[in-house]
Amino acid sequence: QVQLVESGGGVVQPGRSLRLSCAASGFTFSSYAMHWVRQAPGKGLEWVAVISHDGSDSYYADSVKGRFTISRDNSKNTLYLQMDSLRAEDTGVFYCARDFAVTSDAVDIWGQGTMVTVSS
Amino acid sequence: DIQMTQSPSSLSASVGDRVTITCRASQSISNYLTWYQQRPGKAPKLLIYLASNLHSGVPSRFSGSGSGTDFTLTITSLQPEDLGTYYCQQSFSSLWTVGQGTKVEI
Repeated sequence: QVQLVESGGGVVQPGRSLRLSCAASGFTFSSYAMHWVRQAPGKGLEWVAVISHDGSDSYYADSVKGRFTISRDNSKNTLYLQMDSLRAEDTGVFYCARDFAVTSDAVDIWGQGTMVTVSS
Repeated sequence: DIQMTQSPSSLSASVGDRVTITCRASQSISNYLTWYQQRPGKAPKLLIYLASNLHSGVPSRFSGSGSGTDFTLTITSLQPEDLGTYYCQQSFSSLWTVGQGTKVEI
């Protein structure tokens, strides 16, 4: 079945780096744009970044631009989020999500999320 | 950035009630508006896309309307499994933004 499985979360000190991965299965990964969405503890959803199906284009929320890099390896069916210069306010659950092919204006498949805690 | 504002922030309703959630954009977004449901402890689920289109498998008691800056999500007969938080999200801009959420309690 269609599945997204995130990994790579953990506890990291402020200013350090972390790379998240998202393994996709059950669909043609290379045909879909992919997103990262995060949720601070007890807070709402925040869209983080999107990458085009072939990796040629990407966009970032202002809050992470210049610090986070989204990328993908279509040969490995894997999405990545490189997070540098981490701050306490980056703490939260990070979800990868598949672009909704019908309109590309929503996401229709979500992973279970991976928790990132930025703390000294 | 386009700001999305939902109201109310929370509501409590009974089974069978009609529930309405409003989402307002800080500028016109045409119909580029999506609604998601997030049950406690779970990942969000897509409910409605392009303001009024019901996603496959979503019960028909859910409906969406609106265009421009003002949008509405309606649940015509609230069910126990509808407990959770509902979010609106705009895709008019390449930089998507999400409302703060509306928590629905039964």
